[in-house]
Amino acid sequence: AQSVTQLGSHVSVSEGALVLLRCNYSSSVPPYLFWYVQYPNQGLQLLLKYTSAATLVKGINGFEAEFKKSETSFHLTKPSAHMSDAAEYFCAVSPNNFNKFYFGSGTKLNVKP
Amino acid sequence: DAGVTQSPTHLIKTRGQQVTLRCSPKSGHDTVSWYQQALGQGPQFIFQYYEEEERQRGNFPDRFSGHQFPNYSSELNVNALLLGDSALYLCASSLEWTGSSYNEQFFGPGTRLTVL
Repeated sequence: AQSVTQLGSHVSVSEGALVLLRCNYSSSVPPYLFWYVQYPNQGLQLLLKYTSAATLVKGINGFEAEFKKSETSFHLTKPSAHMSDAAEYFCAVSPNNFNKFYFGSGTKLNVKP
Repeated sequence: DAGVTQSPTHLIKTRGQQVTLRCSPKSGHDTVSWYQQALGQGPQFIFQYYEEEERQRGNFPDRFSGHQFPNYSSELNVNALLLGDSALYLCASSLEWTGSSYNEQFFGPGTRLTVL
């Protein structure tokens, strides 16, 4: 069975500060992991994905995530937050046929000026 | 390319009624998945359609059913609506996975269903 836990339903950072959003997963098979962003009244947009290649994955808008199998984690980071990063972020896991995605409960990122 | 489109945008129903939500996949995509996103929660997988067949199903009752048409568009039907069915319903489309690489799943903006 697969599941995702996102620690912290709300995270607040100052503009220019480091962004760290936490995601831990459980999976009975080698997982494929994803981060999505959702802006108000919009669907989900893929930020980045881990599909068993490099463990450090770079995505759009300066975000990156590192797959750590020993810690079952896939935390999302960005060195310097921008006001436009304020949104809700979802971590997701999928088995290797991508027929079903399991999402975490989301983390709302607030960026203070 | 219009991307994934969903209709209607918003819908208000009363308990016991039935509702149909519609999804048009991104051009060229043949696989459609439906998700329910309750307020303050992450999306939950309802089911996935490929070649007009339901291929995978999440933990949802039979009141939730779907259909995929030959043009790959899809409908989600919910019968005997409950207050707890109020949510944002998201449709996502992708190309069938061939086993060689991941084909990105694109999401539509969703249909906001309110059950009174």
